[in-house]
Amino acid sequence: EPEVTQTPSHQVTQMGQEVILRCVPISNHLYFYWYRQILGQKVEFLVSFYNNEISEKSEIFDDQFSVERPDGSNFTLKIRSTKLEDSAMYFCASSEAEETQYFGPGTRLLVL
Amino acid sequence: LAKTTQPISMDSYEGQEVNITCSHNNIATNDYITWYQQFPSQGPRFIIQGYKTKVTNEVASLFIPADRKSSTLSLPRVSLSDTAVYYCLVGIAKAAGNKLTFGGGTRVLVKP
Repeated sequence: EPEVTQTPSHQVTQMGQEVILRCVPISNHLYFYWYRQILGQKVEFLVSFYNNEISEKSEIFDDQFSVERPDGSNFTLKIRSTKLEDSAMYFCASSEAEETQYFGPGTRLLVL
Repeated sequence: LAKTTQPISMDSYEGQEVNITCSHNNIATNDYITWYQQFPSQGPRFIIQGYKTKVTNEVASLFIPADRKSSTLSLPRVSLSDTAVYYCLVGIAKAAGNKLTFGGGTRVLVKP
C-alpha cells in the first residue's frame, strides 16, 4: 500500500537555526498538507498546498514558515529561525481530490 | 465548523466491542463525519467516513442516526493493538484540500 514518508524521523536543532522537514507524498496525490502536534496536545493544521501554491494556512504558519515542492516528489516545510515553542511532531499528509488525507509517520523536532 | 464532543478516555478488554459516541449538534448539511486513529508517536490514520445511516469496512462500523447530531464508531473484538486515540472530525471532508480540525479525541485503552 502506498504511503507518505517523512525525513528525518528526529531532528534536534538550536534555537534560531533553520530546519527543513521533508515529505514524499503518495505519488498520484495532488493536495499536500502540514500539521503539527505539540507533545500532549491536539493535532493542528498548518498549511495546505495545491498546484504549487498555498491553498490555506493557519495563524500558526507565520513568516517563519514556508513550504515548497522542489521537484515532482518532495514536499518540504522550512522553519527559518526556530523557536523553543516550535518543538513538536510535524506531520505531512496528502490526498487525491476530494478524498481522505493520508498522514506520514512524522518528524519529531526538538529545539534547544 | 461543527464542534464535536467525545469522551476523553475509555477502557476495554481484549475481545470486547468498543463503541465511541461523538456529539456534533450543529453539523451542517454538507458535513461528513470522519474518524481517525492515532498511535503514540505516529500520524493519524483514517478509519472510516460516513454521511448518514451505517457504514462498515474491514476495520470498523460507523452508525449515524437520522438527525446526524451524533455518531458512534464501533470497533468489534478489540485487541491490545487497538489501544490508541480516536478522533471524530466533522466537516466538508469531500472538499479537496480541506483542512482537518482535530479535537482532543478519545483515548482507548485495551487491557488483556
